[in-house]
Parts: sequence; structure tokens; C-alpha cells
Amino acid sequence: AQSVAQPEDQVNVAEGNPLTVKCTYSVSGNPYLFWYVQYPNRGLQFLLKYITGDNLVKGSYGFEAEFNKSQTSFHLKKPSALVSDSALYFCAVRDVSTLGRLYFGRGTQLTVWP
Amino acid sequence: EAGVVQSPRYKIIEKKQPVAFWCNPISGHNTLYWYRQNLGQGPELLIRYENEEAVDDSQLPKDRFSAERLKGVDSTLKIQPAELGDSAVYLCASSLGSATYEQYFGPGTRLTVT
Repeated sequence: AQSVAQPEDQVNVAEGNPLTVKCTYSVSGNPYLFWYVQYPNRGLQFLLKYITGDNLVKGSYGFEAEFNKSQTSFHLKKPSALVSDSALYFCAVRDVSTLGRLYFGRGTQLTVWP
Repeated sequence: EAGVVQSPRYKIIEKKQPVAFWCNPISGHNTLYWYRQNLGQGPELLIRYENEEAVDDSQLPKDRFSAERLKGVDSTLKIQPAELGDSAVYLCASSLGSATYEQYFGPGTRLTVT
């Protein structure tokens, strides 16, 4: 069965420091992987996706993520955090073999303090 | 470009009452999704439409939930009768297709059942 795990409910980082939000997944076939961000009282916004090709994908607002097949991970990263990056981040996976639904993790609350 | 539009933004009803949510997707997006997001959780798919056809409704509680997308554009999700456990945020999303395409989310409707 498809599933996504975000092992950290909260990540706290100082502004200017690098940040990582972790995600691991489980699918029966090859995965399509996505990161979304949710600001208070707003819908989810797409950040980036991995479909195929280069394991390092770059997305909006300076975020990037690295696909690691052997570790079944897709961690979100940013070299220098901003206070405005504080939000709820969701990892999601779709199993390419079924063209099926998108499975979301529980979310990780990122807080960047000045 | 206008985003996904949802109404109402907030709804408070008593249990056993009916409620309906409306969604207008991004123009040209053939795929439309309804999700439910419980507090502290990621979104969970209720139903996915490809044009007018509901292609994945296995997670929709059909005894009380119904949905329609009659002309392949806007959609309505209905609950009748509502239960206390239906309190959640109901999100609508759309995409150009499924599988590799990212989804664009509306702001959601926060339903409170008292």
C-alpha cells in the first residue's frame, strides 16, 4: 500500500540557516513525488515534484528536494531559511503503476525564527 | 489566471442538517478533486473526476456524501445528514490531468458540525 511518512511534526531553524524537512515513502511501483506548502487559512500550494530524471529537483521560492531511491526518501531543503518560509509542509506520493490517488503525509510545521 | 474558487469559506451547521460545497476549477483543468483535511492531518481524497466522470470515489461515504460535476466544469459536494465527525476542511483541487501533473488547491471550506 502507498504511504508517506513525515517523521517530524515540527522543525525549528534560525533565519539564514539551512533547513531540511524529511519525507519517506512507500509505493509498489515507481513513485511520483510532490511537496506542497500550506499557509494559515489558505489552500495548499505546489512547491516542486519529482517524476523522472535528475534526482535533485528545484522548485519555487528557492526550495529543492533530493530523490533517493535506495532510502525511499524525498527530503525538502533550502540553503538559507527565511522567516516567511514558516508554514506547514506536506509531502505526497503517487504510484505511477496505478495512476492512482495522491497520498499525503501528516505535515511538518516549519518555524523560522529571526 | 484565476485560481480554484470555493464557497462558502466557512459553514457552521447542526448535526443532521444538510450542507453543500461548491468548487470552480481553473479554466481548462479536466481533473477535479475533493479532499477532506482533518485537524493535524494531510488531505485525504474523497473523489476524483476526469471531466464529468467520477473515476475514483472509493473513499466517499456514499450513505451520506454525494458529488456531481454535470458539465465537466464546476462541482458540488453534498453531505446529508451531517454528523459531528464531518467537521473538517473540505478542499477542492484541479489539474490539467492526473498522474504527473501538480494539483492546484482552493482555499477550502471549514465545516463545523455542532
